[in-house]
Amino acid sequence: DSGVTQTPKHLITATGQRVTLRCSPRSGDLSVYWYQQSLDQGLQFLIQYYNGEERAKGNILERFSAQQFPDLHSELNLSSLELGDSALYFCASSVVGTRKETQYFGPGTRLLVL
Amino acid sequence: DQQVKQNSPSLSVQEGRISILNCDYTNSMFDYFLWYKKYPAEGPTFLISISSIKDKNEDGRFTVFLNKSAKHLSLHIVPSQPGDSAVYFCAAPRGSQGNLIFGKGTKLSVKP
Repeated sequence: DSGVTQTPKHLITATGQRVTLRCSPRSGDLSVYWYQQSLDQGLQFLIQYYNGEERAKGNILERFSAQQFPDLHSELNLSSLELGDSALYFCASSVVGTRKETQYFGPGTRLLVL
Repeated sequence: DQQVKQNSPSLSVQEGRISILNCDYTNSMFDYFLWYKKYPAEGPTFLISISSIKDKNEDGRFTVFLNKSAKHLSLHIVPSQPGDSAVYFCAAPRGSQGNLIFGKGTKLSVKP
């Protein structure tokens, strides 16, 4: 158990809908990362937050947004969903979000868009 | 442009033998590498890391070797155990914030 929790575990929805994925980092960790794992692209970085502020952005679509709240939990919002958004979404956390820190991953949310 | 490549999608090894998982990178600015292990229905778990100032790092049965001139690293597992069967990802942090670039993974099967 990494100490990172993600809810829900599974999500099935329809095209055009909007969903929210939730992540609670390890106790004491200030930085949260979101990654997407799809079959053809592998694990890809989406976005990073540190203590409530966006710190880095990767291949995140305009339809996706995220935030980190004062209690340090983070939410990833996916809207106008398309079939291709079906993937595993992982959240990871680290203490201060610097490059040589270990990132601890949650169990992921499996999203299926029908 | 895939900056971290794992060219073998799968590897099968007999229990007790050595498993060697390979990873190549293209960006010579990378100076730190990590290996993660992933079981089905779980998130990636950190295994071992290596800084570019070293060419080897060992942790129990796991050793990572780094060849900077060849831009190549490898993970050795000795002896391999059935519980090591998982997907192994090589990764490198990009920029100062540490967001990771992952290879596509190698699925290791250790046969009893």
